[in-house]
Amino acid sequence: ETVLTQSPGTLSLSPGERVTLSCRASQSVSSSYLDWYQQKPGQAPRLLIYGASSRATGIPDRFSGSGSGTDFTLTISRLEPEDFAVYYCQQYDNSPQTFGQGTKLEIK
Amino acid sequence: QVQLQESGPGLVKPSETLSLTCTVSGGSISNYYWSWIRQPAGKGLEWIGRFYTSGSTNYNPSLKSRVTMSVDTSKNQFSLNLSSVSAADTAVYYCARAAVNTADFDYWGQGTLVTVSS
Repeated sequence: ETVLTQSPGTLSLSPGERVTLSCRASQSVSSSYLDWYQQKPGQAPRLLIYGASSRATGIPDRFSGSGSGTDFTLTISRLEPEDFAVYYCQQYDNSPQTFGQGTKLEIK
Repeated sequence: QVQLQESGPGLVKPSETLSLTCTVSGGSISNYYWSWIRQPAGKGLEWIGRFYTSGSTNYNPSLKSRVTMSVDTSKNQFSLNLSSVSAADTAVYYCARAAVNTADFDYWGQGTLVTVSS
């Protein structure tokens, strides 16, 4: 199966800062099949980015995604207080679909 | 607005079968892929499997021998059965929707905690 490795595991940042999260795949993933989700405590994940770079409905433009092959990134241009959460990447190019282990953004 | 709601026992004994139902409201269950995803406490997400309302299914190979999914279109519900459970199956279980030929999960249930314990 395709293992997605996210880094770093935890990031401590302040509101207003810019952050880039990494997702590295153990084998090539089509960018069409790479998504990012945000999960807050006690809530279900929420789709942020699909197809590596397309924002889901209602997602602010401070969120952007990029990448191809085995390396993908999620960038938040200016952190808002509500952005502190856990972020997961997911691929469904190779069966079974898999998620990364997550990156936690915490307030510094 | 589409809403998904998981239901089922919160406690299951080891070796027994975990059974959950997801009720879909605000939209049809037809013409979408419906998945089950689980998350042990403090850990990441694991895709269990999915089915399409035509009857086709795909299961995670790691769980395939123990998983069965089914649908009741008349009730707009779909179900998960996971047999021979152990403590390792303790998790929050989510149901989620994806459009055909994608796995972009655009709607999720709130999740239900299932604990496996005697």
